[in-house]
Amino acid sequence: AQTVTQSQPEMSVQEAETVTLSCTYDTSESNYYLFWYKQPPSRQMILVIRQEAYKQQNATENRFSVNFQKAAKSFSLKISDSQLGDTAMYFCALGTSGSRLTFGEGTQLTVNP
Amino acid sequence: GAGVSQSPRYKVAKRGQDVALRCDPISGHVSLFWYQQALGQGPEFLTYFQNEAQLDKSGLPSDRFFAERPEGSVSTLKIQRTQQEDSAVYLCASSRIRKLNTEAFFGQGTRLTVV
Repeated sequence: AQTVTQSQPEMSVQEAETVTLSCTYDTSESNYYLFWYKQPPSRQMILVIRQEAYKQQNATENRFSVNFQKAAKSFSLKISDSQLGDTAMYFCALGTSGSRLTFGEGTQLTVNP
Repeated sequence: GAGVSQSPRYKVAKRGQDVALRCDPISGHVSLFWYQQALGQGPEFLTYFQNEAQLDKSGLPSDRFFAERPEGSVSTLKIQRTQQEDSAVYLCASSRIRKLNTEAFFGQGTRLTVV
């Protein structure tokens, strides 16, 4: 069975500052992917960034980057230069065989002006 | 349309009523997923289609839940004899091919409230 844990139900950050959201996971599969999704009040899940488990290099997408620690089964998301539009629920997700995603409980991020 | 479309956006059902939720995936997308998202929780997998074939329905919570995708495009999730615990947002997602790293595009979901 796959599990994903996000231990921070809520976080807040000042505009232009940096924030890190935590995620740990567990799986017995050797081939998997990790994702961070953003869910604004519109409810539509938007992919923020993805990481292939067999790649050691951490993924980066503009202001978003991850710290992937495979041995520790940790996958944190760093948001630099936070913007008001980053305010949303963020979900960490694990993709394994069959393509289904296992999601964490989510972290509500609020960016304050 | 350009994205995954779900209808209705909101549905209020009386307990015991049957409901049908529709998902129009992105044209040409082979894979289609249904997820259930309870209030304040992350989405949970319900079922998966590859074209018209339902390859995984292990997440369906009871035999009151039924999903179909008869022509490999539009999918319908049907819930019979709705119960209060069925109240949730039902999300549909589609992806171009069945690969682990393929981005899944989500719809805006249907919020079902059972009263």
